[in-house]
Amino acid sequence: NAGVTQTPKFQVLKTGQSMTLQCAQDMNHEYMSWYRQDPGMGLRLIHYSVGAGITDQGEVPNGYNVSRSTTEDFPLRLLSAAPSQTSVYFCASSYSQGEQYFGPGTRLTVT
Amino acid sequence: LAKTTQPISMDSYEGQEVNITCSHNNIATNDYITWYQQFPSQGPRFIIQGYKTKVTNEVASLFIPADRKSSTLSLPRVSLSDTAVYYCLVGPWMDSSYKLIFGSGTRLLVRP
Repeated sequence: NAGVTQTPKFQVLKTGQSMTLQCAQDMNHEYMSWYRQDPGMGLRLIHYSVGAGITDQGEVPNGYNVSRSTTEDFPLRLLSAAPSQTSVYFCASSYSQGEQYFGPGTRLTVT
Repeated sequence: LAKTTQPISMDSYEGQEVNITCSHNNIATNDYITWYQQFPSQGPRFIIQGYKTKVTNEVASLFIPADRKSSTLSLPRVSLSDTAVYYCLVGPWMDSSYKLIFGSGTRLLVRP
């Protein structure tokens, strides 16, 4: 199993550009989440999904969209990038509220 | 959602036992307590989860008193590689409003 994979690993965007961060898991997990982590800080929940076709907002959803058309994939879309969105983005999946498996992260810089 | 409070940082030495306490005064009846470890530039890694009393696995123990308003992660005989940030999370099991929240965590530094 590859576990949770994220692409790209690094990305630089200009203010106003849009992009999609990809997340995929091959463990047949129903639950998937997106977090962001700013330097020296804890993780903050952006959006999450409890199954295909079901998504909901986390703590900091503004400026981000998600969709969950399949169990495996949970892409995160930045609508119009801003410098405040410079962060490391982690995707995670789990069967439930138990053990979450995290991806390696995407380091995003917005200039 | 239960809010958690942890010490910002802790120092220890190799070979010592480390206990990190998390306070969660408004924990709900169906909430579980989960601990994660995070190394720099990596995603968090699950350590242990429990509901009450004591849970032990190959890397740690989790102690939860009867009132469940706090929990203690115990790391036996730490090594330099245990230097990391440790997060305590509280959330319901199998709840469709699933929204686990990470706090700021505890930065553990293990010295030689």
